[in-house]
Amino acid sequence: EVQLVESGGGLVQPGRSLKLSCVASGFTFSNYGMNWIRQAPGKGLEWVAYISSGSSYIYYAETVKGRFTISRDNAKNTLYLQMTSLRSEDTALYYCARGGITIAAIPFAWWGQGTLVTVSS
Amino acid sequence: DIQMTQSPASLSASLGETVTIECRASEDIYNGLAWYQQKPGKSPQLLIYNANSLHTGVPSRFSGSGSGTQYSLKINSLQSEDVASYFCQQYYNYPNTFGAGTKLELK
Repeated sequence: EVQLVESGGGLVQPGRSLKLSCVASGFTFSNYGMNWIRQAPGKGLEWVAYISSGSSYIYYAETVKGRFTISRDNAKNTLYLQMTSLRSEDTALYYCARGGITIAAIPFAWWGQGTLVTVSS
Repeated sequence: DIQMTQSPASLSASLGETVTIECRASEDIYNGLAWYQQKPGKSPQLLIYNANSLHTGVPSRFSGSGSGTQYSLKINSLQSEDVASYFCQQYYNYPNTFGAGTKLELK
């Protein structure tokens, strides 16, 4: 069974950095693109970033471009999101979600449980 | 970026009723449209993909339709377990974008 487990969230001051992880199991991680999606408390969903299976293709939402970096370690079955220059508006539950085998966007059938990032002084 | 306008923002319906949620894209998304259900404290669950295809395990009372820029999710014979928030998402291109959501409650 596909499992995605996020970690690394917490309380961080504005302007500081945080790195999230998502450990995948139940499928061949190196074959699939991966995504980060976030949800501010009581709000809707916002796609954040995508990375292809071999890391050749990477896309970001404009709201995080230049501040966040998505990466992966296929040997460790792990997806990362390095977040820098954090702002209060980055406060959200961050989900990882599995993409497809090609770089074409697909609907998200598999999601993790999320890790909460709170940016506050 | 493609904007997704979802309506209504909230909806109150009775058990057994049929409800419809709409989503309008700012440009043609060629059926690259998914619907998700999210219950409080849980991750979103995929219901419909490619505008009208039912995801595995989703009850047949859920259905999707539409084309071009206009799409809808219909829930027939509303059940108590359908109380949730519902989101549309276009995945025709990056950035994927979501509708603002519809909160469905029981009357």
